[in-house]
Amino acid sequence: DTGVSQDPRHKITKRGQNVTFRCDPISEHNRLYWYRQTLGQGPEFLTYFQNEAQLEKSRLLSDRFSAERPKGSFSTLEIQRTEQGDSAMYLCASSGQGGDTQYFGPGTRLTVL
Amino acid sequence: KNEVEQSPQNLTAQEGEFITINCSYSVGISALHWLQQHPGGGIVSLFMLSSGKKKHGRLIATINIQEKHSSLHITASHPRDSAVYICAVRGSGGSNYKLTFGKGTLLTVNP
Repeated sequence: DTGVSQDPRHKITKRGQNVTFRCDPISEHNRLYWYRQTLGQGPEFLTYFQNEAQLEKSRLLSDRFSAERPKGSFSTLEIQRTEQGDSAMYLCASSGQGGDTQYFGPGTRLTVL
Repeated sequence: KNEVEQSPQNLTAQEGEFITINCSYSVGISALHWLQQHPGGGIVSLFMLSSGKKKHGRLIATINIQEKHSSLHITASHPRDSAVYICAVRGSGGSNYKLTFGKGTLLTVNP
């Protein structure tokens, strides 16, 4: 399967703990996006990488959130000191050089107790 | 007011009915996407439009750039079409990589 993969698919954590999610994009895609989706809402943009450079970060991404894409391939999204409001589906997508169609991963569902 | 508005929020249809989902947006765009999301989260891209009309099987998408409006039509609907349909716009200029999403339309097609 050469689609976008995300790990883990589900994460339950206690408030205050740190969590890290991983996204593996389609191998030849140089653009990678993170989105967050809460129940009943459409996804919201969090951040965007072109190769290893993080080119934009939404104001939704507080300083507890950090994302990296160290070698321009996989990416990680870390949330420190999780809060109940962080409970959401975290979606990763990738696109090629033209950037037209974004291919989404299955998402990581985070539940903060 | 959200930059992307969809209507209706929920739609229930009988198998075989013709379905229309609407999307209006308030910002300049380089393209508009229609996406399908099944329970469990997976999102699939259905169409990308910058003008006119596209057709794929029983699905038709249209866009009117002047009116900032797009519609997604499903002909001869089937229970397997049941999903959330999301409209998303891609920004213009320096933000032409970023998608802004509507809240989605939950479609249920009953047999």
